[in-house]
Amino acid sequence: ILNVEQSPQSLHVQEGDSTNFTCSFPSSNFYALHWYRWETAKSPEALFVMTLNGDEKKKGRISATLNTKEGYSYLYIKGSQPEDSATYLCASHPYNNNDMRFGAGTRLTVKP
Amino acid sequence: DVKVTQSSRYLVKRTGEKVFLECVQDMDHENMFWYRQDPGLGLRLIYFSYDVKMKEKGDIPEGYSVSREKKERFSLILESASTNQTSMYLCASSLRGRTDNEQFFGPGTRLTVL
Repeated sequence: ILNVEQSPQSLHVQEGDSTNFTCSFPSSNFYALHWYRWETAKSPEALFVMTLNGDEKKKGRISATLNTKEGYSYLYIKGSQPEDSATYLCASHPYNNNDMRFGAGTRLTVKP
Repeated sequence: DVKVTQSSRYLVKRTGEKVFLECVQDMDHENMFWYRQDPGLGLRLIYFSYDVKMKEKGDIPEGYSVSREKKERFSLILESASTNQTSMYLCASSLRGRTDNEQFFGPGTRLTVL
């Protein structure tokens, strides 16, 4: 079983702070890395899908990078807002396989 | 707006009861999944289905079964609920042939077994 690890487990920041968290995954037979945002009482929704080493994706104040050789991805949030409070999940899956492996998530709380 | 819906947001059952969790998607997706999420653990795959009447075991199928009689509906069944099945259950679907494998999730069912 592939292990996807996320750190930290939880994070409390003040509004306006920038923050980042890490997802590490097995680099062998890697195909894609997904980031999801899961707000309380809502469905997890996809933020990014990345496949290529060195990939960088951005959506508003949130961005992500990917290093497939060493098996990690960073998610950055610039100028955190209370509405960014959520659990951020990452998941990886190997080539030609629907078997997604999820990390335990990073729970972000942004205080006004 | 694409949707995956789950029959209940919260459910309380007693040990030994038979429990049905229903999931419906309106995106004509071939693939459907059931996960459970527990504190400190990632989403763990219970069962998945690639097509109607097809099912595959995931990592933790023990104590569960599934049914997929129609493409849009995927049911998770707890034959005899036990307290260690208290958890958050998430259903997801994805499109076959989509190489990035993006999954679309329902809002989850928080099941408590007393």
